[in-house]
Amino acid sequence: NAGVTQTPKFQVLKTGQSMTLQCAQDMNHEYMSWYRQDPGMGLRLIHYSVGAGITDQGEVPNGYNVSRSTTEDFPLRLLSAAPSQTSVYFCASSYDGGSVWEQYFGPGTRLTVT
Amino acid sequence: KNEVEQSPQNLTAQEGEFITINCSYSVGISALHWLQQHPGGGIVSLFMLSSGKKKHGRLIATINIQEKHSSLHITASHPRDSAVYICAVPKNTDKLIFGTGTRLQVFP
Repeated sequence: NAGVTQTPKFQVLKTGQSMTLQCAQDMNHEYMSWYRQDPGMGLRLIHYSVGAGITDQGEVPNGYNVSRSTTEDFPLRLLSAAPSQTSVYFCASSYDGGSVWEQYFGPGTRLTVT
Repeated sequence: KNEVEQSPQNLTAQEGEFITINCSYSVGISALHWLQQHPGGGIVSLFMLSSGKKKHGRLIATINIQEKHSSLHITASHPRDSAVYICAVPKNTDKLIFGTGTRLQVFP
């Protein structure tokens, strides 16, 4: 199993550009989530999904969209990048018990918005 | 006040020392997670516990539900233990709240 994979590893965007961060898992996990990690702050939940076709907002959803058309994939879209979205983004998945189950994290995507 | 607080923020130790990292939380929980983030950035789950104590190799995690407090201990610390250790608490079944992490450096 590859576990949780994320692409790209690094990305530089100009303000106003859009892009999609990819996340995929091959463990048949129902629960998937996106976090951002900023210096001096804990990981913060952006969006999450408890199964295909179901998504919900986390703590910091503004400026981001998600969809979950398959169990395996959970892409994160930045609609119009802003410097405040410079961060490291982590995707995670777990069994259908959601956050109360062991979390498996992807390697992260480091995004810089200039 | 953060819902999940860790102490200390930074910790340095000599190889072989016994390490303790603390986590206090204010939300009700069903399970507390301890995670490790290596200098390269990858995050792995170390423990998930809802009561008592768990041990894995040189790592021991304890939790006191009444006091809303958990500790992560590392016995006979080694430079390869250098990492950021993060505790996280489910706010409900769908959302985790993370501490800001404890940066540990172990010197030979």
